[in-house]
Amino acid sequence: GDSVTQMEGPVTLSEEAFLTINCTYTATGYPSLFWYVQYPGEGLQLLLKATKADDKGSNKGFEATYRKETTSFHLEKGSVQVSDSAVYFCALRGSNSGYALNFGKGTSLLVTP
Amino acid sequence: GAVVSQHPSWVICKSGTSVKIECRSLDFQATTMFWYRQFPKQSLMLMATSNEGSKATYEQGVEKDKFLINHASLTLSTLTVTSAHPEDSSFYICSARTQPDGYGYTFGSGTRLTVV
Repeated sequence: GDSVTQMEGPVTLSEEAFLTINCTYTATGYPSLFWYVQYPGEGLQLLLKATKADDKGSNKGFEATYRKETTSFHLEKGSVQVSDSAVYFCALRGSNSGYALNFGKGTSLLVTP
Repeated sequence: GAVVSQHPSWVICKSGTSVKIECRSLDFQATTMFWYRQFPKQSLMLMATSNEGSKATYEQGVEKDKFLINHASLTLSTLTVTSAHPEDSSFYICSARTQPDGYGYTFGSGTRLTVV
């Protein structure tokens, strides 16, 4: 079945450092891919999405490109801020999932001043 | 934007008792609600999908008699954990689909259940 694998955390970075959180997936057909962010005490919020191969999702300085050839959707940000500290989830919606999302384990990011 | 209010945010209950978790869509009609469970350092695992006015569809391995889901209205879905055991202790999250194209979802803030 469909699955998502993302890098283990926690990830600790200094402010203004470059961020990469790896995400790879296994799915049949053509899934849609998402990154969600969860701040402490809050629900998951959509960060960005891509619905077809080569699409680039972007929001708040974060970017991820849907790479079908490598089945990847890595999250990147050029300069992180303390306020980016949160847990990041990669997710996919498969072609036959009935709209349910399939999540990775989440990666905790801590950005220090 | 679309908001789902989930309550309670945390609950402690004794073994053998039942606990109800509510998710309300505040400014939209949630025809479909997804219920997830999350163990520490694990991904969100889909438990069931409920559609308003019909029986929930449970994922393989999820006991439907233990995790009762009711979605009687377009703004309220509930998950009741019956005869709770310590192994039911977990983080439960609801999510509603907000866009017909299937790309929009909104999540509740989650419920931390501890069974003692």
